[in-house]
Amino acid sequence: KAGVTQTPRYLIKTRGQQVTLSCSPISGHRSVSWYQQTPGQGLQFLFEYFSETQRNKGNFPGRFSGRQFSNSRSEMNVSTLELGDSALYLCASSPTESSGANVLTFGAGSRLTVL
Amino acid sequence: QQQVKQSPQSLIVQKGGISIINCAYENTAFDYFPWYQQFPGKGPALLIAIRPDVSEKKEGRFTISFNKSAKQFSLHIMDSQPGDSATYFCAAFSYGQNFVFGPGTRLSVLP
Repeated sequence: KAGVTQTPRYLIKTRGQQVTLSCSPISGHRSVSWYQQTPGQGLQFLFEYFSETQRNKGNFPGRFSGRQFSNSRSEMNVSTLELGDSALYLCASSPTESSGANVLTFGAGSRLTVL
Repeated sequence: QQQVKQSPQSLIVQKGGISIINCAYENTAFDYFPWYQQFPGKGPALLIAIRPDVSEKKEGRFTISFNKSAKQFSLHIMDSQPGDSATYFCAAFSYGQNFVFGPGTRLSVLP
């Protein structure tokens, strides 16, 4: 059974650009959550999608957005990149809404560097 | 109230020793407490988890101790091995909410 797949694994952008990250959940999983991981801050929750609907949103500015497609694949977008957006972006999938499933399976992440 | 505190930030242990990582929370609505293990270049992976109706859960060399009244829980790694060197995250969860993670502990086990 394939795990959670995130693409691209590494990318470099410059300030002001925008970026789109992709996440393919485990087959059959309908919930996808996104986290930002930075040294010292741990994992900060961005948002969760279930059946193409955003169920939860963390405390991030509107430059961070996401969506989920009918096949449960998800994308997140960051517009007008800032240096502080440099981080590892992790996607996690669960069988149902994370509020009920209790088990998150993470992908390897997308390492974003903003210059 | 949604914060989960974790200590120490980093930990160095000799092979065969005991590694202990502590976490504390404020929100009494949390009812599920997992620990995740993350190796470099990988995403976090579920290691062990506990619910507040038990005070201890053991899986192999890994044990969670839970103190509901103190709102604290800890991970104990017995007979620590160099292969245990990783970053460990505690987390807390309640129904209808997202997971809240601690800032992580970087464990190094010396051979």
